[in-house]
Amino acid sequence: NAGVTQTPKFQVLKTGQSMTLQCAQDMNHNSMYWYRQDPGMGLRLIYYSASEGTTDKGEVPNGYNVSRLNKREFSLRLESAAPSQTSVYFCASSPVGAGSYGYTFGSGTRLTVV
Amino acid sequence: GENVEQHPSTLSVQEGDSAVIKCTYSDSASNYFPWYKQELGKRPQLIIDIRSNVGEKKDQRIAVTLNKTAKHFSLHITETQPEDSAVYFCAARDSGSARQLTFGSGTQLTVLP
Repeated sequence: NAGVTQTPKFQVLKTGQSMTLQCAQDMNHNSMYWYRQDPGMGLRLIYYSASEGTTDKGEVPNGYNVSRLNKREFSLRLESAAPSQTSVYFCASSPVGAGSYGYTFGSGTRLTVV
Repeated sequence: GENVEQHPSTLSVQEGDSAVIKCTYSDSASNYFPWYKQELGKRPQLIIDIRSNVGEKKDQRIAVTLNKTAKHFSLHITETQPEDSAVYFCAARDSGSARQLTFGSGTQLTVLP
């Protein structure tokens, strides 16, 4: 049981390049999330998907797009990377229902934009 | 939306002493409050959580208290050990359908031997 799998683990991009961060979970969770983590700022929500077929903006969506490909997979795309997007990105998933609240996080993607 | 504030940002304690981290939240409809521990270079891991119908929860050396009226909750670690050194995040669950969490800015806890 792998939990939440993120790829890649590390990436260096040049300003203006595009890339997609992949996330997959095998726990049959309904909800999935993308967060970015910057020093001193905690984890900030970029986009989330309450269930398959739905996506919504979080606190810091500008410069990003997402796709909930199916129940398992939720990808994050940077169309034109900027140095301000240098960060550690975490994907997470959560079941929905009474008594089921916790997040399971992926191992993170460390992205540097030069 | 929800806003979570966390204090202090850094905390140093001697091994064996207690550590307390405090958080406040803004949305009175929030009903779930987890705490995560993140070691350097690792993913956040859930260590304890509390729901709004409970005032206190304890798990060995870790406890969390919740004051709904004042909209604040705290993490208490007793008999601290060097392996407790990490960044700790509090969070509050949004009342929306996706149950998204809003996180505090984190506390770097250092336990000195």
